[in-house]
Amino acid sequence: GQQLNQSPQSMFIQEGEDVSMNCTSSSIFNTWLWYKQEPGEGPVLLIALYKAGELTSNGRLTAQFGITRKDSFLNISASIPSDVGIYFCAGLTTDSWGKLQFGAGTQVVVTP
Amino acid sequence: DGGITQSPKYLFRKEGQNVTLSCEQNLNHDAMYWYRQDPGQGLRLIYYSQIVNDFQKGDIAEGYSVSREKKESFPLTVTSAQKNPTAFYLCASSIVARANQPQHFGDGTRLSIL
Repeated sequence: GQQLNQSPQSMFIQEGEDVSMNCTSSSIFNTWLWYKQEPGEGPVLLIALYKAGELTSNGRLTAQFGITRKDSFLNISASIPSDVGIYFCAGLTTDSWGKLQFGAGTQVVVTP
Repeated sequence: DGGITQSPKYLFRKEGQNVTLSCEQNLNHDAMYWYRQDPGQGLRLIYYSQIVNDFQKGDIAEGYSVSREKKESFPLTVTSAQKNPTAFYLCASSIVARANQPQHFGDGTRLSIL
């Protein structure tokens, strides 16, 4: 299946810094989802986006659904040590019957 | 608590052996999914089920089989035909299989070869 291009692959940041990552595709999506996965656990849904241009926040996390519907962005402000993990983007289309397409993930490491 | 329960947490398979991974949800969701995760890669869809007694192949179904006899249960069997089964397996569910319904995941089963 089609793959989303997620970047960067990894980020090493200091506590308090902001983090930005993005996902792009050659195809249009109707829903963008952002998940966080910690070692040995399943992904946890952070933010769901349903409309082009939509900007949604969840605490220190902010995500946007790109105007072209082919991309999405996730920002983490004022990072803290518990932000460590792998962040995945995922997209859904109306003709995919709920079949999520995933990016390869962005590994975030936060140092004190 | 409502959620998705996967068991066992760790599983070891001998050569030529079939093993079954359990996935149970008490969220009353119609749709359920199985994904495979390999290091450094995103999740890849193995099988999905939109409703009881119905399921479809995903992108990497070869060497796997599923059943959906009850709404709350969607077990995955890794058969001996799957030559590279070592991976982290994740089960997910959604209210229905539509584009506006996000999926929620269990905590996974890690399968290794003895």
